[in-house]
Amino acid sequence: QVQLQQWGGGLLRPSETLSLTCDVHGGSFSGYFWSWIRQSPGKGLEWIGEINHSGETDYNPSLKSRVTISGDTSKNKFSLKLTSVTATDTAVYYCARMEMNMEAFDIWGQGTLVTVSS
Amino acid sequence: DIVMTQSPLSLPVTPGEPASISCRSSQSLLHSNGYNYLHWYLQKPGQSPQLLIYMASNRASGVPDRFSGSGSGTHFTLKINRVEAEDVGVYYCMQGLQSFYTFGQGTKLEIK
Repeated sequence: QVQLQQWGGGLLRPSETLSLTCDVHGGSFSGYFWSWIRQSPGKGLEWIGEINHSGETDYNPSLKSRVTISGDTSKNKFSLKLTSVTATDTAVYYCARMEMNMEAFDIWGQGTLVTVSS
Repeated sequence: DIVMTQSPLSLPVTPGEPASISCRSSQSLLHSNGYNYLHWYLQKPGQSPQLLIYMASNRASGVPDRFSGSGSGTHFTLKINRVEAEDVGVYYCMQGLQSFYTFGQGTKLEIK
C-alpha cells in the first residue's frame, strides 16, 4: 500500500525559503503526477504545483515565480521550495499523488504545518 | 482559472437522513473523451483529504455505497443516502480538467 510521508516545514521568518520533502513508500514514482497542495483558513485548498517521473513540472500561476518542485526517482521522493515567504504562506502543506487516468489525487501525505512569523 | 462553487457551505444532518451537496464549475468539465473531470473529497477532522468520488460518479476504493455522485458539464451533486456519524467533516469538489487544479470552498457536514 502506497504511503506518502512528508517532512520539513515548521516556523519560518518572512523572506526565508520553505523546504519540504515527500517520500513515496510502497510504490513506484513512475506513471503518476506528484503534487503539493496547501490549506490555509483564508484560501481553502490551493494547488501549488506538480512533477512527473520525467521531471516535467507545472505550477500555479500565482506562485510560479517563487516555487520549485524537484524529484528524485532513484530515491522515490519529491520536494518543494517556496522562496521569499510571507505570513500569507502560513498553511498546512500536503503532498499528494495524482492518478493519471482519473486526474484525481488518490493518496495524500499527512500534512505539515508551516508558520511564517517574525 | 476554473472556479468551483459549492452549496451549501454548512450542512447539519440527522443520522439516517439523506444529504446532498452541489458543486458548480465556471467552465464545463466534460472532456472530449466523454468523462467529467470532477472529483469529491472528504476531509475528516484532523485528517488529510481523502478521495471519495472520481470522474463525477465513480466511488474510490473502499468508499461505502451510500455515497454517490452525479452530474455533467458544469453542475454536479454528491449524495449520501443515509448519513452516519463517521461522515462528519468537510466535503470538497475539485476539477481535474485543467492542470491548474482548483477546489470548491468546502461544505461542512455536521450531525444534528
